[in-house]
Amino acid sequence: EPEVTQTPSHQVTQMGQEVILRCVPISNHLYFYWYRQILGQKVEFLVSFYNNEISEKSEIFDDQFSVERPDGSNFTLKIRSTKLEDSAMYFCASRGTGTKETQYFGPGTRLLVL
Amino acid sequence: AQKVTQAQTEISVVEKEDVTLDCVYETRDTTYYLFWYKQPPSGELVFLIRRNSFDEQNEISGRYSWNFQKSTSSFNFTITASQVVDSAVYFCALSEVDTGRRALTFGSGTRLQVQP
Repeated sequence: EPEVTQTPSHQVTQMGQEVILRCVPISNHLYFYWYRQILGQKVEFLVSFYNNEISEKSEIFDDQFSVERPDGSNFTLKIRSTKLEDSAMYFCASRGTGTKETQYFGPGTRLLVL
Repeated sequence: AQKVTQAQTEISVVEKEDVTLDCVYETRDTTYYLFWYKQPPSGELVFLIRRNSFDEQNEISGRYSWNFQKSTSSFNFTITASQVVDSAVYFCALSEVDTGRRALTFGSGTRLQVQP
């Protein structure tokens, strides 16, 4: 069964450093999403991406964040200058078109900013 | 604005008990989707069910069942004869079609502990 994959599973970084989180969505899906979950809290939407551009973003997704689909398979989230409060689990999700409205999530990347 | 409320923060039951997880949502859209996801201790988000706003039929899948009632804006989830493996955090979520806001709005989750 096709699944969303994410790398790395864990990342530790120093405050102010740049990080890139990578995702490989399900191959025939065209809509891609990033969410985050601060420890013990609910899952929050960051950004959605379709047809090589951002289709929707939340107030969390400020100028320090960016997304990119550098090739036909990867979907990345970059945090330019990490802050302590960026420590969270970051989930990538993808969904198909038409009536296939279900978003399938990757296993997540746990980011720790020191 | 859209909102999903899961008022039960934590529920503890003994194995084989039935348990119902509540979900109440708010939306102005006529067309929307409701979801349940399971987050086991390992942390991933596992899709359980999707229901669209025009389909109020209840659904049963093994020990799981879902009760969707538009009149009360609720989409409750029942586990029959709970098992230890059901221990997880369960999230209810909403996506809106009319406004095009397909991003999921999650509730705060209900942590279910099933004791042996």
